[in-house]
Amino acid sequence: GQNIDQPTEMTATEGAIVQINCTYQTSGFNGLFWYQQHAGEAPTFLSYNVLDGLEEKGRFSSFLSRSKGYSYLLLKELQMKDSASYLCAVSSDRGSTLGRLYFGRGTQLTVWP
Amino acid sequence: DGGITQSPKYLFRKEGQNVTLSCEQNLNHDAMYWYRQDPGQGLRLIYYSQIVNDFQKGDIAEGYSVSREKKESFPLTVTSAQKNPTAFYLCASSRASGRNYEQYFGPGTRLTVT
Repeated sequence: GQNIDQPTEMTATEGAIVQINCTYQTSGFNGLFWYQQHAGEAPTFLSYNVLDGLEEKGRFSSFLSRSKGYSYLLLKELQMKDSASYLCAVSSDRGSTLGRLYFGRGTQLTVWP
Repeated sequence: DGGITQSPKYLFRKEGQNVTLSCEQNLNHDAMYWYRQDPGQGLRLIYYSQIVNDFQKGDIAEGYSVSREKKESFPLTVTSAQKNPTAFYLCASSRASGRNYEQYFGPGTRLTVT
């Protein structure tokens, strides 16, 4: 089975840094995705990690440790528009499910002025 | 502009009626997916298709049906057998299943059944 866990809610202030954690226990692993979803809208791709380490992309960075089953998304210089749900998703590497994504429940981030 | 379209954005139906949600993509993607999202829940996979004329059940396929007659189109029918059909439905596509290409999502259809 697949189990992906992330905090339900987080809050932070404008200009601050926030780290959203994701832990996973899956029967196969072929990479981890982070998506951003504003209320009532489609998720949009933020980052992808398949090897251990940090991937940086502007204000957003994502880290992966495969041995620990752990990832985090780091958001710097927070802006009000970063208030959204952040979804962690693990890609399967097994048989007919190869390439399928398994999503966590999402972390609702609220940025205060 | 390439992308995924879902229509309509809001849909209202009476209990006991079947309803079909449309999903079209012009990204030339092989794989397509249907997800359901409920408040406080992540995305749950209903059905997915890796190639035309082939599809697989996801985690919550009961009460739903799909077809994949064309590469561009992957309609989802919510049947009267689905016990709690009211939800936000998202369609997605990716370049090729089996490889780690990101999934692109459509704008979603919010279905309300009363």
